[in-house]
Amino acid sequence: DADVTQTPRNRITKTGKRIMLECSQTKGHDRMYWYRQDPGLGLRLIYYSFDVKDINKGEISDGYSVSRQAQAKFSLSLESAIPNQTALYFCATSLERAVSYNEQFFGPGTRLTVL
Amino acid sequence: AQSVTQPDIHITVSEGASLELRCNYSYGATPYLFWYVQSPGQGLQLLLKYFSGDTLVQGIKGFEAEFKRSQSSFNLRKPSVHWSDAAEYFCAVKGSGNTGKLIFGQGTTLQVKP
Repeated sequence: DADVTQTPRNRITKTGKRIMLECSQTKGHDRMYWYRQDPGLGLRLIYYSFDVKDINKGEISDGYSVSRQAQAKFSLSLESAIPNQTALYFCATSLERAVSYNEQFFGPGTRLTVL
Repeated sequence: AQSVTQPDIHITVSEGASLELRCNYSYGATPYLFWYVQSPGQGLQLLLKYFSGDTLVQGIKGFEAEFKRSQSSFNLRKPSVHWSDAAEYFCAVKGSGNTGKLIFGQGTTLQVKP
């Protein structure tokens, strides 16, 4: 089984709809991240969480919210989806230990299309 | 501000030829640098990383990268490319402070000709 899983893998929705993307991990990592990938822009950080009670905004958090339901689960919500949120979304995890130097492990991605 | 630049958006090489993907970073202190590969429909897989020590780093799948502080570069190389290497490659630098975030370059898409 994959260490970092994302559901759904693909989603098509309409403008104004609320949508939730889910991420689960079995690596036992404390840190989790949400990125979006757009062609020509690489990956940009939306939100990150150090533990269940510690959630922080990334560089492009507007229009998104997150929930860390447990150490292993980190969900990303779009309260009212808009077309420019069409992108590939990645969840990642890392372990807060000096030795790991923040190597991040990525899920397979969720391709979201907002019509 | 920290940034990562991958000057080549798209590269095409013939199978068996050598490969070099360029990466330049902007960071004040000693950087922690990474190369990830994204195969079609897949997540990102870590190829290699540099934190300190030997500036020539060996990774998986026959890749290596060389850290050159004087040029602020961390170029990825492979002596002989295989068709299965066709993918998108991302260079990243660890962000400052304790955020843990990675700052990614724009990515380079590698196409391999038979």
